[in-house]
Amino acid sequence: DTGVSQDPRHKITKRGQNVTFRCDPISEHNRLYWYRQTLGQGPEFLTYFQNEAQLEKSRLLSDRFSAERPKGSFSTLEIQRTEQGDSAMYLCASSDSGRAITGELFFGEGSRLTVL
Amino acid sequence: AQSVTQPDIHITVSEGASLELRCNYSYGATPYLFWYVQSPGQGLQLLLKYFSGDTLVQGIKGFEAEFKRSQSSFNLRKPSVHWSDAAEYFCAVGGGNTPLVFGKGTRLSVIA
Repeated sequence: DTGVSQDPRHKITKRGQNVTFRCDPISEHNRLYWYRQTLGQGPEFLTYFQNEAQLEKSRLLSDRFSAERPKGSFSTLEIQRTEQGDSAMYLCASSDSGRAITGELFFGEGSRLTVL
Repeated sequence: AQSVTQPDIHITVSEGASLELRCNYSYGATPYLFWYVQSPGQGLQLLLKYFSGDTLVQGIKGFEAEFKRSQSSFNLRKPSVHWSDAAEYFCAVGGGNTPLVFGKGTRLSVIA
């Protein structure tokens, strides 16, 4: 069990560029979540997958955001045409269905995005 | 809609002193309640959770929390704080398959 890993840990980009974050969950965890955390705020839910199916998306996930989990293992979160307001820490968490229902999510260290 | 309020943005306590972090929630049904801790450079970690039954729940690292339905509260406590407890603490609410909703967090500083 190597934990949830996220890459890159820090990304600096210019406004208007596209960025992609990757999350590798704990192996055999079938649920994967993306959250966003800005300074002084708690994590805000973006979307989650069970296996490869995207089961729920927050209204925070504008059409510039897309998430995939093609084979039910790793996931990517892409932000197109980045804006300064996208600057945040993007957190990934995983769990198995049973633990997810009980709220036990395992979080990665996050990917920090800075949009200049 | 479900929501969580953590009234205290920042709390400073002396090492060895007791600690109480406040959390109030709004949820239409019976809530599942959680406390997570985020230490610098680390991912969020689950401290404890409440589903039903005994309203006083024990967690890791010597923390406990008490669910009070009449007050819609789920306050986190620790009888004696250690310097390593300095971190950001998040209360969260959810239920079943509903993704967790987090509060804004309380930053805990510990002084000698």
